[in-house]
Amino acid sequence: EDQVTQSPEALRLQEGESSSLNCSYTVSGLRGLFWYRQDPGKGPEFLFTLYSAGEEKEKERLKATLTKKESFLHITAPKPEDSATYLCAADYGSGNTGKLIFGQGTTLQVKP
Amino acid sequence: NAGVTQTPKFQVLKTGQSMTLQCAQDMNHNSMYWYRQDPGMGLRLIYYSASEGTTDKGEVPNGYNVSRLNKREFSLRLESAAPSQTSVYFCASSEQSGNTIYFGEGSWLTVV
Repeated sequence: EDQVTQSPEALRLQEGESSSLNCSYTVSGLRGLFWYRQDPGKGPEFLFTLYSAGEEKEKERLKATLTKKESFLHITAPKPEDSATYLCAADYGSGNTGKLIFGQGTTLQVKP
Repeated sequence: NAGVTQTPKFQVLKTGQSMTLQCAQDMNHNSMYWYRQDPGMGLRLIYYSASEGTTDKGEVPNGYNVSRLNKREFSLRLESAAPSQTSVYFCASSEQSGNTIYFGEGSWLTVV
């Protein structure tokens, strides 16, 4: 069964304490792995797309990496404003449907 | 630059009532989507429209209908609302199927 699993479900960090969020996927024919940030009461906000194993992308304190089985979102020296739910999603399969399968998210809380 | 705009933001329905969620995008995107988000379930695709004039079922289409009114607008209709349809609904769009998907702010629907 095609699925995307994120861990941990929740993560509490002190400001400045670096960590990583995991997104493991079992899909047939991955075409793209997406990371989104979602704040309470808001829609998901696009962060990164990764297309092939070994690819890395960075934005401020965030760096996303991709292997053949999983993706990591590394957060370096986080600040309280990084608190949010982080979602990953896989675009996969044949055809050009643009359908994504989402993980359930990791809720990050960064304490000052 | 509004991006993806959804209305209404909040709605309470009685079981059996009907309603339509409206969505419009101003990014000249070809593809549009409707997702629902439930606690513990993640985002799930209801319907999508790869291009103007086409619509297809997603993962959870039962109880819903859609209309791609033109390139900008994609509406979601609940013909006879049920408590199981209580959820947060997100409209989204992408330039083409398979490209990055951008989300609206969400519509909170409660069916009592």
